[in-house]
Amino acid sequence: DAEITQSPRHKITETGRQVTLACHQTWNHNNMFWYRQDLGHGLRLIHYSYGVHDTNKGEVSDGYSVSRSNTEDLPLTLESAASSQTSVYFCASSSGGREETQYFGPGTRLLVL
Amino acid sequence: GENVEQHPSTLSVQEGDSAVIKCTYSDSASNYFPWYKQELGKGPQLIIDIRSNVGEKKDQRIAVTLNKTAKHFSLHITETQPEDSAVYFCAASLIHGGFKTIFGAGTRLFVKA
Repeated sequence: DAEITQSPRHKITETGRQVTLACHQTWNHNNMFWYRQDLGHGLRLIHYSYGVHDTNKGEVSDGYSVSRSNTEDLPLTLESAASSQTSVYFCASSSGGREETQYFGPGTRLLVL
Repeated sequence: GENVEQHPSTLSVQEGDSAVIKCTYSDSASNYFPWYKQELGKGPQLIIDIRSNVGEKKDQRIAVTLNKTAKHFSLHITETQPEDSAVYFCAASLIHGGFKTIFGAGTRLFVKA
């Protein structure tokens, strides 16, 4: 069955370190998204991609970067982790066609000390 | 800016009762309104959606209504069961515009047995 996976599921890091969160989908979806989820804020869009080599900034992109070298993967990099980036991160994908349902991964819980 | 307001933030009902969650959106161009259910430790999963050319949609115990004039949409769960306990998110987006998906802050639903 097609799926979307994230790794690691839990991560503890120190401020200033570079961290990369992986997202892999086997839906063959064109669109991929990264969100962060914080209490009281719902899901906020960090970056998104509409296809290979395409990346775009979302609502809360400062301090984050992504790259899309193939259809399946959209890794999220925190260039220099900050305590304010402690959050739960969700990756999602959608087909990009008329059906715009986003399918979410299980999430990565990141703690920046 | 564009936003989606969701109420209530917490809802507690007795098993068998109905639950209603309401959302309002600001972007009049929004034409797709999905609802997601998030269980503890998991990513959000689509439970029902509605498009702007439809006023109501029902799927077994779940129904969604849309009032485009007032920019309101609501989720109705009838005959609630303990397994309905979760966090529910509404969202508003443009079809073919995934980056325009804006999520509400979420409603934590408790169903007491």
